[in-house]
Amino acid sequence: QQQVKQSPQSLIVQKGGISIINCAYENTAFDYFPWYQQFPGKGPALLIAIRPDVSEKKEGRFTISFNKSAKQFSLHIMDSQPGDSATYFCAASPPSAYQLIWGAGTKLIIKP
Amino acid sequence: EPEVTQTPSHQVTQMGQEVILRCVPISNHLYFYWYRQILGQKVEFLVSFYNNEISEKSEIFDDQFSVERPDGSNFTLKIRSTKLEDSAMYFCASKVGISTDTQYFGPGTRLTVL
Repeated sequence: QQQVKQSPQSLIVQKGGISIINCAYENTAFDYFPWYQQFPGKGPALLIAIRPDVSEKKEGRFTISFNKSAKQFSLHIMDSQPGDSATYFCAASPPSAYQLIWGAGTKLIIKP
Repeated sequence: EPEVTQTPSHQVTQMGQEVILRCVPISNHLYFYWYRQILGQKVEFLVSFYNNEISEKSEIFDDQFSVERPDGSNFTLKIRSTKLEDSAMYFCASKVGISTDTQYFGPGTRLTVL
């Protein structure tokens, strides 16, 4: 119930293409869904986050799509650039909880 | 821009030794966290800390672990008797308040237990 399942484990996309990473959750009480970006040797940094009262949130080239009925959310990176090459983690949190529950991560490589 | 800082960046220790990992959260933040990430694996929650007490902890955070805010700026994680399986990256994070979602992460401390 507390798991967040992330796929794919790794992804290679050509420069300019669309990168799509998917996550699924089980606990319907989760109410906060962030995506974190992590470069090698660095800590995770918040990229974009969504709450279940909206189905989509866009910030620049990054979009979260959220499907409450399917209990799934995804990250879309438009016009992917080599600088986007990093590991991406989805996460979820139930209300009034302090912790984040993390997906397994997706290693994204953007080929020039 | 304010940052969470962590020291040391890399700690090597012998099995059974005590280690203390240090973090300086962002100054106006009230909620503090420790997470760990075993190489190539997911980030795992260890503990959250607010108002000088633990607010939530995971199964990983057993009696060998403790946290402390010894002064107004530092937040420490102590592992009393390290095991080989404690080798991981340890991340400290902080956030402003309970209604604020964004947790800001430090660069991590790589702990290697030999």
